[in-house]
Amino acid sequence: QSALTQPRSVSGSPGQSVTISCTGTSSDVGSYNSVSWYQQHPGKAPKVMIYDVTRRPSGVPDRFSGSKSGNTASLTISGLQAEDEADYYCCSYAGDYTRVFGGGTKLTVL
Amino acid sequence: QVQLVESGGGLVEPGGSLRLSCAASGFTFSDYYMAWIRQAPGKGLEWVSFITTYGSYTNYVDSVKGRFTISRDNAKNSLYLQMNSLRAEDTAVYFCARASHSEGAFDIWGQGTMVTVSS
Repeated sequence: QSALTQPRSVSGSPGQSVTISCTGTSSDVGSYNSVSWYQQHPGKAPKVMIYDVTRRPSGVPDRFSGSKSGNTASLTISGLQAEDEADYYCCSYAGDYTRVFGGGTKLTVL
Repeated sequence: QVQLVESGGGLVEPGGSLRLSCAASGFTFSDYYMAWIRQAPGKGLEWVSFITTYGSYTNYVDSVKGRFTISRDNAKNSLYLQMNSLRAEDTAVYFCARASHSEGAFDIWGQGTMVTVSS
């Protein structure tokens, strides 16, 4: 049950694209297409932005996209906007009804 | 509207106990798997526990096994977390969240309830 590895921080200017990586193992990210991404603004509850690696819930802008290769999943945000500044967490199913989260990435919009 | 509301947090001494509740509304509670997720002050999210739709199966993060018990009452649309033998490292905001299937993402979250373990 070790946390997934994410960069501590990423940054980009408005209109640019950023990608946040999430590295796990063959026991979690590498074994299941059940990776989700959450956005959390300060003092708020997390909000799901991507589920099942690539799917977007209704209401989430198509600027947000997800992918996976091997043991690493990625979240890409294109056309950065000021309101995208937040903490982002990946989460993977890890078997036997368990989950593991990443350590979180702080996105700064310059 | 679809909503989860946690309650029961507070200040407790090390070794003490606390029971958290999560009240669900706006959806058929028994159709969904449920989980508790916590966030220590200034830290990231940590999955704590998971329960299937009718409570037939549960699981926990290693650090709380034997101390925490997740349960649900579908007739009351409520989820619970009984926390015993609390430690300072259990200090966190505790969120309840729902998932549509056993591997599913957490699509609805509560606002969280703060648990502080300190003497």
